[in-house]
Amino acid sequence: AQSVAQPEDQVNVAEGNPLTVKCTYSVSGNPYLFWYVQYPNRGLQFLLKYITGDNLVKGSYGFEAEFNKSQTSFHLKKPSALVSDSALYFCAVRDFGAAGNKLTFGGGTRVLVKP
Amino acid sequence: SAVISQKPSRDICQRGTSLTIQCQVDSQVTMMFWYRQQPGQSLTLIATANQGSEATYESGFVIDKFPISRPNLTFSTLTVSNMSPEDSSIYLCSVDAQSGVYSYNEQFFGPGTRLTVL
Repeated sequence: AQSVAQPEDQVNVAEGNPLTVKCTYSVSGNPYLFWYVQYPNRGLQFLLKYITGDNLVKGSYGFEAEFNKSQTSFHLKKPSALVSDSALYFCAVRDFGAAGNKLTFGGGTRVLVKP
Repeated sequence: SAVISQKPSRDICQRGTSLTIQCQVDSQVTMMFWYRQQPGQSLTLIATANQGSEATYESGFVIDKFPISRPNLTFSTLTVSNMSPEDSSIYLCSVDAQSGVYSYNEQFFGPGTRLTVL
């Protein structure tokens, strides 16, 4: 069965500092990995994805993520955080094994960027 | 990207009643998904709805409690039946970025329906 772990419930960072949100995954086949962001009282917004190819993927709002197969990780990063990046971030994985087409989410990490 | 709308955006309901949530997509899609997000929690898939067939429910969710309709390729409804306070959640519908039976791509999400059961 596929699973996603986000080990940190909350990440606090000062504005202008680098931001990292951690994610590790477990799948039976090839992983298709995604990051979403949820702002207060809003739906989920897609940030970026890894399907194949370059291990470093770039997405919306200056975010990027690095796929590391040996460590089964897909950490989200931003070089310089903004106060407006404060939100709830979800890592997700899609696996076409026995689980079919399902998208499985991690528990979420709340990011608080302080001025 | 697909534009997804949901109605109602929020509702407060009494215990024992039912609420039907509508999801409308601006393009034809093969698969639609319904998720639940309980307060402070992650997203949990309730069911997958394909047009012209019965919805496929995940473990822990049953059709009698969460009946789903999928009358065409742009619309679906989720009903939360015989509600209790434990059903208080955000309910979100979702579609694949790329239409088809199987997709390797991201899903797009509606804005959600915030349900409070008293």
